[in-house]
Amino acid sequence: SQTIHQWPATLVQPVGSPLSLECTVEGTSNPNLYWYRQAAGRGLQLLFYSVGIGQISSEVPQNLSASRPQDRQFILSSKKLLLSDSGFYLCAWSVGSGRTQYFGPGTRLTVL
Amino acid sequence: ELKVEQNPLFLSMQEGKNYTIYCNYSTTSDRLYWYRQDPGKSLESLFVLLSNGAVKQEGRLMASLDTKARLSTLHITAAVHDLSATYFCAVERGSNNNDMRFGAGTRLTVKP
Repeated sequence: SQTIHQWPATLVQPVGSPLSLECTVEGTSNPNLYWYRQAAGRGLQLLFYSVGIGQISSEVPQNLSASRPQDRQFILSSKKLLLSDSGFYLCAWSVGSGRTQYFGPGTRLTVL
Repeated sequence: ELKVEQNPLFLSMQEGKNYTIYCNYSTTSDRLYWYRQDPGKSLESLFVLLSNGAVKQEGRLMASLDTKARLSTLHITAAVHDLSATYFCAVERGSNNNDMRFGAGTRLTVKP
């Protein structure tokens, strides 16, 4: 069966510090991978998606970036965090397009 | 631009009662998803609705899709406390679920 991992689970970072969140998927090959952000009490905003190694599409221009160095690894990064980057970051995977997305446990980021 | 609207955003109901959550969307879509999110947790897939008139049921939850009206409903029958959570609908534009938009969510509280 497929599983998706995210770490860290929680993170508190000062404004201006760098960020690296990691997501890995097990039990499937060549998944589509997604990064979402959820602000407190809000819906989900798609940040990035990837259909393959090294292929990243950005949905919202901001100070975040994503990379996919391996088939089942997806990384979300920032060089300098802003207060507005605080939120719950969710990674998701799907097998191809037009399929259900399955979500990881999430990383709760607080920028102070 | 695809817009997804849920209502109500907050719902407090007594155990044993019935209620319906509505999800309206603004453009033609091939697929609609319902997810559940418990406080502080990730999203769990509930239903995938793939065609006009589709109806799916799981326990006390039943989801339906009317693509002509661009409307999906999530009906709750004889609510129990365990159903307390936030429910999201998500709509896929075209056949590419890299472009999926989430509603703002309906926070459901079931009181004894």
